[in-house]
Amino acid sequence: KQEVTQIPAALSVPEGENLVLNCSFTDSAIYNLQWFRQDPGKGLTSLLLIQSSQREQTSGRLNASLDKSSGRSTLYIAASQPGDSATYLCAAARYSGNTPLVFGKGTRLSVIA
Amino acid sequence: DAGVIQSPRHEVTEMGQEVTLRCKPISGHNSLFWYRQTMMRGLELLIYFNNNVPIDDSGMPEDRFSAKMPNASFSTLKIQPSEPRDSAVYFCASSLVSRTSGNTIYFGEGSWLTVV
Repeated sequence: KQEVTQIPAALSVPEGENLVLNCSFTDSAIYNLQWFRQDPGKGLTSLLLIQSSQREQTSGRLNASLDKSSGRSTLYIAASQPGDSATYLCAAARYSGNTPLVFGKGTRLSVIA
Repeated sequence: DAGVIQSPRHEVTEMGQEVTLRCKPISGHNSLFWYRQTMMRGLELLIYFNNNVPIDDSGMPEDRFSAKMPNASFSTLKIQPSEPRDSAVYFCASSLVSRTSGNTIYFGEGSWLTVV
């Protein structure tokens, strides 16, 4: 059974700092891995999707990497801003096609102005 | 597109009452997922449908929970009778699987359920 773990559970950084969020998964046979953002009282918004054949994806100040062999993914946020404050969740898809995601519990990020 | 639409957004009900949560997926999407989120357990899959057919309901906690998808544009999650431990945020999500889209998933805003 796939298990996804995110460390740390919470992180507070000063504005402008670069930071890395970590995600690990127990079963390396994944189809893809996604990073989501969740604001308080809201649903989840997909940030980046990395297919199992890819090593990384970039969108603006965000860069996500995937290392299937070690069961790890990281989300790098450059030049953090107070607007980046949210909970970030990673999720692994088990198989190809329309199968469910297994989520980590998230890292709650606070960027202090 | 309006996105995934869930109702009600908030519900407070008494223990023992029936609760029905509703979801309208994004038009054209062929998969629908019901997740539950709590502080202790995070996001857990309850059930999912492909082309309106339930595929895996092993995450449904017990017989008090049931879900239906009578057509491609509507799904319900029902709890009868409700208990205080059912208090959580219930998310509906939909996706379209294709060679080009992979399986990007879109979430609704959630239904915040409190059972007192």
